[in-house]
Amino acid sequence: GAGVSQSPSNKVTEKGKDVELRCDPISGHTALYWYRQSLGQGLEFLIYFQGNSAPDKSGLPSDRFSAERTGGSVSTLTIQRTQQEDSAVYLCASSPAANSYEQYFGPGTRLTVT
Amino acid sequence: QQQVKQSPQSLIVQKGGISIINCAYENTAFDYFPWYQQFPGKGPALLIAIRPDVSEKKEGRFTISFNKSAKQFSLHIMDSQPGDSATYFCAAKNTGGFKTIFGAGTRLFVKA
Repeated sequence: GAGVSQSPSNKVTEKGKDVELRCDPISGHTALYWYRQSLGQGLEFLIYFQGNSAPDKSGLPSDRFSAERTGGSVSTLTIQRTQQEDSAVYLCASSPAANSYEQYFGPGTRLTVT
Repeated sequence: QQQVKQSPQSLIVQKGGISIINCAYENTAFDYFPWYQQFPGKGPALLIAIRPDVSEKKEGRFTISFNKSAKQFSLHIMDSQPGDSATYFCAAKNTGGFKTIFGAGTRLFVKA
């Protein structure tokens, strides 16, 4: 079946602009994660959604970052007033359930802030 | 305590050689240790995983060795091939928790 999809695949924006990144998880997966991967770096956890529960936002680096998940499916990560240090690959992953071990990753959105 | 330390940062291996990547953790509550493989332009994908009740797990050319007392685990890639060139992440998770803790990654290059 279809995997996790993300759009756009690449986004170039000017410093100070807002951006929205989209994630379509695997159908039926209740858990959804956002990560940030800076050049040559590991995976930095940003936010976690599970079903209709309140999201865990403990990884969001600043209040410029927010995310929502509509109808328990599609998620949008919004970065307001982008800064150059926001340049990274933003990865979305989904899991079948809250305590599932495996995460299924999308291809990521490469964000470049000029 | 939540960290997973991974080494080396990068690795160059000749075709046919053995690639070895090491990871260490502190939190003894972790009970699932996966390895993810990431090719350029792609998201990470689960490669192989182990639980702490076994010391070794082998799938094809990929083997995880696990040392519970030392809180260390490693990935061995036997007969390394150029197609194995990728970034490898070790990770750790505990039952009941939602968060998977990832290592910093190892960039492997296998020379033909």
